[in-house]
Amino acid sequence: GAGVSQTPSNKVTEKGKYVELRCDPISGHTALYWYRQSLGQGPEFLIYFQGTGAADDSGLPNDRFFAVRPEGSVSTLKIQRTERGDSAVYLCASSLAFNSPLHFGNGTRLTVT
Amino acid sequence: AQTVTQSQPEMSVQEAETVTLSCTYDTSESDYYLFWYKQPPSRQMILVIRQEAYKQQNATENRFSVNFQKAAKSFSLKISDSQLGDAAMYFCAYLNYGGATNKLIFGTGTLLAVQP
Repeated sequence: GAGVSQTPSNKVTEKGKYVELRCDPISGHTALYWYRQSLGQGPEFLIYFQGTGAADDSGLPNDRFFAVRPEGSVSTLKIQRTERGDSAVYLCASSLAFNSPLHFGNGTRLTVT
Repeated sequence: AQTVTQSQPEMSVQEAETVTLSCTYDTSESDYYLFWYKQPPSRQMILVIRQEAYKQQNATENRFSVNFQKAAKSFSLKISDSQLGDAAMYFCAYLNYGGATNKLIFGTGTLLAVQP
């Protein structure tokens, strides 16, 4: 595809459930980022991958959040034991290389009931 | 820690008129980038304009231009000849140059309405 693809577009889950959010970056982009955007706020950094490795996971709020990128392309953000406070739009972005412009996807809106 | 502040939660402009969105930031670094992103209802963050802090000349992209005041740590966006398609949420963002991560720090955004 031409852009960053995120699935699902919307996800509703019950408190305590496990969810996976998928990001398919632009082909050839080595850097991949996850951000979280709460209602009325700007996006907040979660984690940065360079290739397959998480180069910076300092933004993950706690150990319920985990992300992988096993083959250096698609990434999955995993949230265990979801809480209502996890409700937000989760944005993924990719870039060709470090310090190249970021290209964002349309995000996944997660609602925890 | 770096912070970005957008003090205008909402702004409105008439079609074809000019509007200026404000942004201030705080940093102790000397080399950094500043950005304006547009977020329409589709949720996708679209890069509008970028400014390198070492450049004194203000960046311009067609109808969009910035007023970068490094000493005052101010970075405003001017939209000329506003169009209906400009209506969106606008975010100011900061990036450390030479940092270990391409980690953008965003403000809280300004919702721009364009009146026909």
